[in-house]
Amino acid sequence: DADVTQTPRNRITKTGKRIMLECSQTKGHDRMYWYRQDPGLGLRLIYYSFDVKDINKGEISDGYSVSRQAQAKFSLSLESAIPNQTALYFCATSVPGTSVNEQFFGPGTRLTVL
Amino acid sequence: GIQVEQSPPDLILQEGANSTLRCNFSDSVNNLQWFHQNPWGQLINLFYIPSGTKQNGRLSATTVATERYSLLYISSSQTTDSGVYFCAVHRTGNQFYFGTGTSLTVIP
Repeated sequence: DADVTQTPRNRITKTGKRIMLECSQTKGHDRMYWYRQDPGLGLRLIYYSFDVKDINKGEISDGYSVSRQAQAKFSLSLESAIPNQTALYFCATSVPGTSVNEQFFGPGTRLTVL
Repeated sequence: GIQVEQSPPDLILQEGANSTLRCNFSDSVNNLQWFHQNPWGQLINLFYIPSGTKQNGRLSATTVATERYSLLYISSSQTTDSGVYFCAVHRTGNQFYFGTGTSLTVIP
């Protein structure tokens, strides 16, 4: 079984709809991240969480919210989806601690907003 | 934030050729990773290499942290090496920063 899973893998929705993307991990990592990838670009950080009580905004958090329900679960919500939020979304986890911080990614969720 | 530049942006190789991909970063970092994004979009960890040299089969990587760059070497390229290669860096207390990638196409 995959260590980092994302659901759904693909989603098509309409402008104005509320969407939730879910991420679960079995790696036992404290740190979890949500990224967005647009065509031809690298990944940009939306939100990150260092533990259940710690949520931080990344560089492109506007229009998104997150919930860290448990150590293993980190959800991303689009309260009112808009077409320019069409992108590939990745969840990631990383090893706790400061000297080693290797990231591991889920398979991605392809979101299309019409 | 930390600026991450990758070169070249695009690369087309004949199967069997060798290549070198470069990642430059603008500040000191504690962590550097190389990823391969395959044509299906999946991100695959290649190397965790904040400094020094590592090898894994036909791939190897070298990071010279004091000079703020890392190199990824691909030898005897195969069509399955096609995809986008990303470099990502991290400094303690900060977020990860990704480059915009090198798109590699290996033709038979």
